[in-house]
Amino acid sequence: AQSVTQPDIHITVSEGASLELRCNYSYGATPYLFWYVQSPGQGLQLLLKYFSGDTLVQGIKGFEAEFKRSQSSFNLRKPSVHWSDAAEYFCAAAPRAGNMLTFGGGTRLMVKP
Amino acid sequence: NAGVTQTPKFQVLKTGQSMTLQCAQDMNHNSMYWYRQDPGMGLRLIYYSASEGTTDKGEVPNGYNVSRLNKREFSLRLESAAPSQTSVYFCASSERTALNNEQFFGPGTRLTVL
Repeated sequence: AQSVTQPDIHITVSEGASLELRCNYSYGATPYLFWYVQSPGQGLQLLLKYFSGDTLVQGIKGFEAEFKRSQSSFNLRKPSVHWSDAAEYFCAAAPRAGNMLTFGGGTRLMVKP
Repeated sequence: NAGVTQTPKFQVLKTGQSMTLQCAQDMNHNSMYWYRQDPGMGLRLIYYSASEGTTDKGEVPNGYNVSRLNKREFSLRLESAAPSQTSVYFCASSERTALNNEQFFGPGTRLTVL
């Protein structure tokens, strides 16, 4: 079955520190991959997406993600976290032949001053 | 451009009551979706509509019905609400092309069933 796994439920980092959020997928073929962010009380906003080509993808708000086929991973990174980055982050995947997103369980990021 | 709008934002129901959640998009998207979000479980697809006039079940359709009223609007109905349906409900839309699965989300409806 197709699935997306985010191993870390909660992560706390200090402001200014680097961040990496993990995402692993299980699909027969490489899916389309997405990272969304959900600020408290808000809907989901797309940070970045990977369809093909360069495996390092740049997104909004200074985020990037790296697709690694050998590890079935699509980890999200940011070099220096800001307090406003505190939110819940969702990795999602969609099969290339279809149109249905499967979401991971989410990682809640807390930022210490 | 409002994007995806949802009404209401909050709702409290008693067990057995019915209600309809409304969703509209102004991006001329073909596909629309309803998700529920529960702690630790991410978003799970309830129903989707690939195009006007079609609807299909997602991962968790039991207890829900949907109507794709026209290209813009996609409603979700709870005929007899149960406490297990307490959740945050999100509507989303997408163009539905082979190369673009990006979905745009509404702000959500927080539903409590007592």
